[in-house]
Amino acid sequence: SQKIEQNSEALNIQEGKTATLTCNYTNYSPAYLQWYRQDPGRGPVFLLLIRENEKEKRKERLKVTFDTTLKQSLFHITASQPADSATYLCATYSGAGSYQLTFGKGTKLSVIP
Amino acid sequence: EAGVAQSPRYKIIEKRQSVAFWCNPISGHATLYWYQQILGQGPKLLIQFQNNGVVDDSQLPKDRFSAERLKGVDSTLKIQPAKLEDSAVYLCASSFTSTEQFFGPGTRLTVL
Repeated sequence: SQKIEQNSEALNIQEGKTATLTCNYTNYSPAYLQWYRQDPGRGPVFLLLIRENEKEKRKERLKVTFDTTLKQSLFHITASQPADSATYLCATYSGAGSYQLTFGKGTKLSVIP
Repeated sequence: EAGVAQSPRYKIIEKRQSVAFWCNPISGHATLYWYQQILGQGPKLLIQFQNNGVVDDSQLPKDRFSAERLKGVDSTLKIQPAKLEDSAVYLCASSFTSTEQFFGPGTRLTVL
């Protein structure tokens, strides 16, 4: 069955450093992968989408890579700020049938001033 | 533009009682989703509507959960009877295309 894993439950980094979060998937090849941010008590907010034929996508201080050989996506936040502290979720869409997104458990990022 | 609205925000019930959640998607969004998010987990899709038709309800526990989207706009999700393991946040999302989804704030359900 399709499986998506975010290896780190929590990640603490110092303000100003680059945060790197990992998302791995097994048993399928997603057509695209999305990253969402979720703050406590709120619903997820869409950040970036990367398709299977794209190696990298950027948006301001965010960068996402997609390695279909390693079956892995990396999510980077450069020059991290305390306001970036949140849980980050990756989600994949298999490309078949319904547009069902499969979400990982998320990684809770804490940026320490 | 107004976001996805959900009510109530919080609900506490006893097991075996019934409960209903309401969602109003972003205007013009044909696709509506209901997710269940258990503490420490990512959202899990329960049901997906395209206009007022069901696209995917493969993970909906149909013996106790039901959902409808009359007139292709608002939607309600019902649980009857509730079990302790139904304690979770129920998220509604909508989308215009098959890609970016817009989520509401969720309803936190506690079953005692």
